[in-house]
Amino acid sequence: GESVGLHLPTLSVQEGDNSIINCAYSNSASDYFIWYKQESGKGPQFIIDIRSNMDKRQGQRVTVLLNKTVKHLSLQIAATQPGDSAVYFCAENYGGSQGNLIFGKGTKLSVKP
Amino acid sequence: DGGITQSPKYLFRKEGQNVTLSCEQNLNHDAMYWYRQDPGQGLRLIYYSQIVNDFQKGDIAEGYSVSREKKESFPLTVTSAQKNPTAFYLCASAPGQGSYEQYFGPGTRLTVT
Repeated sequence: GESVGLHLPTLSVQEGDNSIINCAYSNSASDYFIWYKQESGKGPQFIIDIRSNMDKRQGQRVTVLLNKTVKHLSLQIAATQPGDSAVYFCAENYGGSQGNLIFGKGTKLSVKP
Repeated sequence: DGGITQSPKYLFRKEGQNVTLSCEQNLNHDAMYWYRQDPGQGLRLIYYSQIVNDFQKGDIAEGYSVSREKKESFPLTVTSAQKNPTAFYLCASAPGQGSYEQYFGPGTRLTVT
C-alpha cells in the first residue's frame, strides 16, 4: 500500500480560521518531508519542508509539525484565506531511490468566505 | 527568469498515435522527473533522471519512454502501448545531490480519444 496517506480527503474551513491538514507515513526511515499546494489545472507549488532531525518548522502563515513517534505530519495554515483553497499534498523521501519523493493522495481545502 | 516549462498545456491525440511531451528547465538542476496525475489522485512516478544520458523507470513506466540528451531537457513520449494515456502529466526538476525539493512545471493535459 501507499506509505504516505492523509486522514481527511476534504477540509472545509471558514475564512480567517486556522486549518490543519494531516498526513501519516509508514516508513520510519523517511528523513525528509515536504508539503505542496496545487491549484486546479496547475503544477504543485512548494510550501514548506522539514527534515527528520526537526519536529517543527515555521514559514509565512504555515507551520509543519513532525511527530516521528507516531509517524505523523501536519500542515497548519494560520488565518486561512480564499486564496488558500487548493489541494495539499505531503510527500516523503526515505533515503532510497536517489532522492525520489513518494506522494500522498492529497487533501482538498475549501475556504468559505 | 528561471523555471521549468512544459508544452503544450493541452494536447489531443487519436488512439494508436505516439505523442511527445516537452519539459525544459533553466535551473541547472541535475535531476528531472515525470509524473502522471489522474483525477482525485496523487502523483505517480513514470521516469526519472539523475544525470544526463541516464534515466530509470518509476512505478508506472510501461507504455512510456524518455530521453535525457541535454541537462535542461527531459521529453516524455506516450506510446500507443500505454493503455490509458489520458491524464495530467507533470514534469519536475531538483538540484540533486542531497537536495530533495522538486520544482514542478505547469503540466500538460493529454486527452486521447
